[in-house]
Amino acid sequence: DTGVSQDPRHKITKRGQNVTFRCDPISEHNRLYWYRQTLGQGPEFLTYFQNEAQLEKSRLLSDRFSAERPKGSFSTLEIQRTEQGDSAMYLCASSLFGTNTDTQYFGPGTRLTVL
Amino acid sequence: AQSVTQLDSHVSVSEGTPVLLRCNYSSSYSPSLFWYVQHPNKGLQLLLKYTSAATLVKGINGFEAEFKKSETSFHLTKPSAHMSDAAEYFCVVSDVKNTGNQFYFGTGTSLTVIP
Repeated sequence: DTGVSQDPRHKITKRGQNVTFRCDPISEHNRLYWYRQTLGQGPEFLTYFQNEAQLEKSRLLSDRFSAERPKGSFSTLEIQRTEQGDSAMYLCASSLFGTNTDTQYFGPGTRLTVL
Repeated sequence: AQSVTQLDSHVSVSEGTPVLLRCNYSSSYSPSLFWYVQHPNKGLQLLLKYTSAATLVKGINGFEAEFKKSETSFHLTKPSAHMSDAAEYFCVVSDVKNTGNQFYFGTGTSLTVIP
């Protein structure tokens, strides 16, 4: 078990550019979550997948954001036409649904800076 | 609706003295409750979790928390603070049944340990 990994760890981009982040969950976990954390705040839920199905999306997830989990393993989060307000830490978590606790395990995050 | 209120944004204690980080929750259903810790430039680490078993929950690094339904509280305690406990702490509520285990984070409590 290598834990949840995210790539890249840091991304600096110019306003208007597209960016894509990757998350690799713990291998046997069937649920994968994306959160956004801004400075001084707790993480906020964006979306989650069970296997390859995207089951819920937050209203925070504007139409510039899209997430996929094509084979039910790794996931990507793409932000199109980035804005300065998108600057944040993007966190990925995974869990094994069906257990009695469904605890989420978090990756180290991708820090996005939009100039 | 689920929500979490962390009553203190900053807590400062001397090394070797007790730690108390307060958390109140709101949930329409029987919640699961968690405490996570976030050290600088590191991912969120699970400290402990409550899932309707024993109301006093023991976690890692000497932390524990007590679920009090009548007070809707889930305060985190530790008998003796260590320098390595300095970090950001997040209280989390989740309703597995009705929200797909969406996590609702508090705004966090920053713990400072004074030598």
